[in-house]
Amino acid sequence: SQQGEEDPQALSIQEGENATMNCSYKTSINNLQWYRQNSGRGLVHLILIRSNEREKHSGRLRVTLDTSKKSSSLLITASRAADTASYFCATDLEGAQKLVFGQGTRLTINP
Amino acid sequence: DAGVTQSPTHLIKTRGQQVTLRCSPKSGHDTVSWYQQALGQGPQFIFQYYEEEERQRGNFPDRFSGHQFPNYSSELNVNALLLGDSALYLCASSFGYRTYGYTFGSGTRLTVV
Repeated sequence: SQQGEEDPQALSIQEGENATMNCSYKTSINNLQWYRQNSGRGLVHLILIRSNEREKHSGRLRVTLDTSKKSSSLLITASRAADTASYFCATDLEGAQKLVFGQGTRLTINP
Repeated sequence: DAGVTQSPTHLIKTRGQQVTLRCSPKSGHDTVSWYQQALGQGPQFIFQYYEEEERQRGNFPDRFSGHQFPNYSSELNVNALLLGDSALYLCASSFGYRTYGYTFGSGTRLTVV
């Protein structure tokens, strides 16, 4: 079963707009990671946020983590056509020593 | 610096057959994790190898087995293939049995007919 559930399942926006994706999880985590996948190929690591962090930035990416609500969000600002991909959150579960992925959000950036 | 290499890239097998997928980790990495990704779904954890031993296993039947060699490369074997085994199989490597710093390969697309 999936640990993380992402919302929305699909998102379509215009180039230049901001895109926000959400991830909810069920059990305590060490950290939460976001990955991007283009056209069903390999996943690329985007950003990691630890359980004691609340917000993290990397370029046009902003990630927040609310451990009390067991949720995270990924914001991509000033979207580009090249951002079109599927985005997955992955949780590093306490005591489990493995990454568990969500179902993903399919993001489409329209020119 | 080579990333994670998986072979083959595509494979078609018949139901009931056996298949072996291969993964060479990124240089400097010693831990290999395998994931199965069905179409439109997120990756599902199969198992993880470190120091040539299976350290963690997901909810997959014994038909799925693996191996890690002294050079850290790994194989995933699936016996008695079912139609439902059709998926993208992803290998991820990392260093020191950690759950961060993953590098993924491009995957092997397995189709069972």
